[in-house]
Amino acid sequence: AQKVTQAQTEISVVEKEDVTLDCVYETRDTTYYLFWYKQPPSGELVFLIRRNSFDEQNEISGRYSWNFQKSTSSFNFTITASQVVDSAVYFCALSEVIQGAQKLVFGQGTRLTINP
Amino acid sequence: EAGVTQFPSHSVIEKGQTVTLRCDPISGHDNLYWYRRVMGKEIKFLLHFVKESKQDESGMPNNRFLAERTGGTYSTLKVQPAELEDSGVYFCASGGSGQFLYNEQFFGPGTRLTVL
Repeated sequence: AQKVTQAQTEISVVEKEDVTLDCVYETRDTTYYLFWYKQPPSGELVFLIRRNSFDEQNEISGRYSWNFQKSTSSFNFTITASQVVDSAVYFCALSEVIQGAQKLVFGQGTRLTINP
Repeated sequence: EAGVTQFPSHSVIEKGQTVTLRCDPISGHDNLYWYRRVMGKEIKFLLHFVKESKQDESGMPNNRFLAERTGGTYSTLKVQPAELEDSGVYFCASGGSGQFLYNEQFFGPGTRLTVL
């Protein structure tokens, strides 16, 4: 069965520090997709990134960057120069598709607090 | 473009009562998903509709839960009778179809259900 583990339940840092959120996954599929979602205090899940299993190139989007390493089954997320607005719960997820039906398998989430 | 909407945002009911949650997906999205997050745990898949058909309902906890998507537009999730362990946040998501099956799922703000 597929599984996603986010070992860090809560992280608290001071504004402008860099912070990395860890995500480790388990799957027997050769083709799969990984996602990160952000859940701000308002409650909705906001899509951040999708990465397929054949593309191990790291991605950078502004202050956000993602490091995908198939060798260690990890898909870590780094926020550089963190800001108070980055405070949220972040979820890593793995997409499983079986016979045309897709579902996301989520990690437990990491609550990130950025203190001013 | 309007996002995924859910109603109500919060529902408080007594054990044994019935509650119906509603989800309006993004217009044109054939795929509609229900997920649930019980307090402090990971977000878990409940079921997946493709248009009006249930593609996968393997995550539905038991027969007290009934999901429908008449006409392939909005969906309802009924819990009858509600139990204490049903408390949590119920998320709805929608996504494209066909070759877009691996695309991101767009989530609504969730319905927080409290069963007393």
